[in-house]
Amino acid sequence: GAGVSQSPSNKVTEKGKDVELRCDPISGHTALYWYRQSLGQGLEFLIYFQGNSAPDKSGLPSDRFSAERTGGSVSTLTIQRTQQEDSAVYLCASSLEGNQETQYFGPGTRLLVL
Amino acid sequence: AQTVTQSQPEMSVQEAETVTLSCTYDTSESDYYLFWYKQPPSRQMILVIRQEAYKQQNATENRFSVNFQKAAKSFSLKISDSQLGDAAMYFCAYLNNAGNMLTFGGGTRLMVKP
Repeated sequence: GAGVSQSPSNKVTEKGKDVELRCDPISGHTALYWYRQSLGQGLEFLIYFQGNSAPDKSGLPSDRFSAERTGGSVSTLTIQRTQQEDSAVYLCASSLEGNQETQYFGPGTRLLVL
Repeated sequence: AQTVTQSQPEMSVQEAETVTLSCTYDTSESDYYLFWYKQPPSRQMILVIRQEAYKQQNATENRFSVNFQKAAKSFSLKISDSQLGDAAMYFCAYLNNAGNMLTFGGGTRLMVKP
């Protein structure tokens, strides 16, 4: 079946602009995760959605970052007033349920902030 | 908080030979899951193998096997009969008991020589 998909594949933006990154999880997966992969910080957890529960936002680095998940499926990660240090690959993953299930990753969105 | 350490930034192996990638972690939890993911240049994070901490038997998946030493908090990956397609970044990851986030090591770049 189809895996996790993310769009756009690459995004170049100017400092101060807002960006939206999209993730389509595997059909039937109730849990969805966002991670950030950057040269300086490695792979970092950002946010976790499980079903209709309130999301775990403990990994979001600042209040410029937000995410939502509509209808329990597609998720959008929004970065407001982008900064150069936001440049990274943003990876989305999904799992069948949140609890101790294997996470399957999408191809990521590479964000470059000029 | 959990930490994951991969002490080998780069490793090299001859095609058809065996190579072992190291990973250690620190946790106060007794129940958790460990993973090895492969990330080729395409950026797609691919699951290689998974180990449940409560299982004493080491996980195997075709040419890939792990040496899980719970007391030592060590989780190494052995790749047998290395192939050119095995060349990639390999990440060791810890999934906490709550199952809501993965903590990744810094990665090991594996090169396979023909």
